Amino acid sequence: TQLLEQSPQFLSIQEGENLTVYCNSSSVFSSLQWYRQEPGEGPVLLVTVVTGGEVKKLKRLTFQFGDARKDSSLHITAAQPGDTGLYLCAGRGGGADGLTFGKGTHLIIQP
Amino acid sequence: GAGVSQTPSNKVTEKGKYVELRCDPISGHTALYWYRQSLGQGPEFLIYFQGTGAADDSGLPNDRFFAVRPEGSVSTLKIQRTERGDSAVYLCASSRQQGYEQYFGPGTRLTVT
Repeated sequence: TQLLEQSPQFLSIQEGENLTVYCNSSSVFSSLQWYRQEPGEGPVLLVTVVTGGEVKKLKRLTFQFGDARKDSSLHITAAQPGDTGLYLCAGRGGGADGLTFGKGTHLIIQP
Repeated sequence: GAGVSQTPSNKVTEKGKYVELRCDPISGHTALYWYRQSLGQGPEFLIYFQGTGAADDSGLPNDRFFAVRPEGSVSTLKIQRTERGDSAVYLCASSRQQGYEQYFGPGTRLTVT
């Protein structure tokens, strides 16, 4: 069984600060996705990383896939209240097409 | 273009009743996925279809759960003899084809009383 552990589970910081959230596993994934989910809505895809060591940037968000394709991180620079939400990492691997999700990081950015 | 749509958005039912949840995927997407999200948790995979056939149903918790996609487009998740533990948000996602990025609908919140 593949598991993804996200940390921290909850994070509340002030506007303008930087933060990093982590997604770790003992399993190798062929690809890893990051989603953001708002209350009452479905997850919205932010990025997919495929290659070990890959780094992708989306405005103030930087995503990195570990060299061994077992872990990933999301770094947000100069966080804004609009970044508030539940951030989920999800991996595809083990020959299965259904995604394995972490429990998510609840992020609150206070103005 | 239209995204994934799910109906109803909310469903309240009594323990023991039968429910059907519907998913309309993005037009042209051949793969369709069902997930369940309990409060405070990430989504949990249930089943996925490639075309009309269920390619992987390993996530269905027991035989009370069943899903169909008879024409390779709309899918229905069916739950028999509902239990209070079935209460959750049921999410549907679709992708262009198997192995591609998945796009989620808004979910159906099921409450079993």
